[in-house]
Amino acid sequence: RKEVEQDPGPFNVPEGATVAFNCTYSNSASQSFFWYRQDCRKEPKLLMSVYSSGNEDGRFTAQLNRASQYISLLIRDSKLSDSATYLCVVNPRQNTGFQKLVFGTGTRLLVSP
Amino acid sequence: DAGVIQSPRHEVTEMGQEVTLRCKPISGHNSLFWYRQTMMRGLELLIYFNNNVPIDDSGMPEDRFSAKMPNASFSTLKIQPSEPRDSAVYFCASNLRGPLHFGNGTRLTVT
Repeated sequence: RKEVEQDPGPFNVPEGATVAFNCTYSNSASQSFFWYRQDCRKEPKLLMSVYSSGNEDGRFTAQLNRASQYISLLIRDSKLSDSATYLCVVNPRQNTGFQKLVFGTGTRLLVSP
Repeated sequence: DAGVIQSPRHEVTEMGQEVTLRCKPISGHNSLFWYRQTMMRGLELLIYFNNNVPIDDSGMPEDRFSAKMPNASFSTLKIQPSEPRDSAVYFCASNLRGPLHFGNGTRLTVT
């Protein structure tokens, strides 16, 4: 079983739609979680961290479910500019100060007019 | 504010040749990471350094790959000899406990 698994998509949605992605992780001791965004032929960039209580940043909401070992990303009112690949990222180790992050293979989102 | 700088942006080489990828991390960051990205396997961590010391190189695929960090502002990833299956985008990233900052990557094609 992969450490981090994501549905590769693509998710095709119209502008204004709400879309959600899930990501599962295998190590129950994982401590920190992130969503990164990667545009075509560009480097990954941090979108948001995922906190235990859930967190929101504008149109984006991230949730963590430790019991079921998954994290989610919800995007409301999708924009054309949201089209990208969304990478689920997990730090499977205890906090040693070193961030040996494990990346999922990404979920591709295509927002159409 | 310069980000992580990688060179070259693109590299096309023939099988058997030596390839050297370069990275300059963000000033003040004490951890540096080398990743490889392919369509099939996504982003894979090859090796990471902390304070210029290699901490974990378990992701390095085989002896053909080697990485060095002679000082806090420079690292290299070398492949010798290169093979077609090494074709991928190689990213360098750095951080200081916070989120990783990635360079633009080096797109390597081995023919």
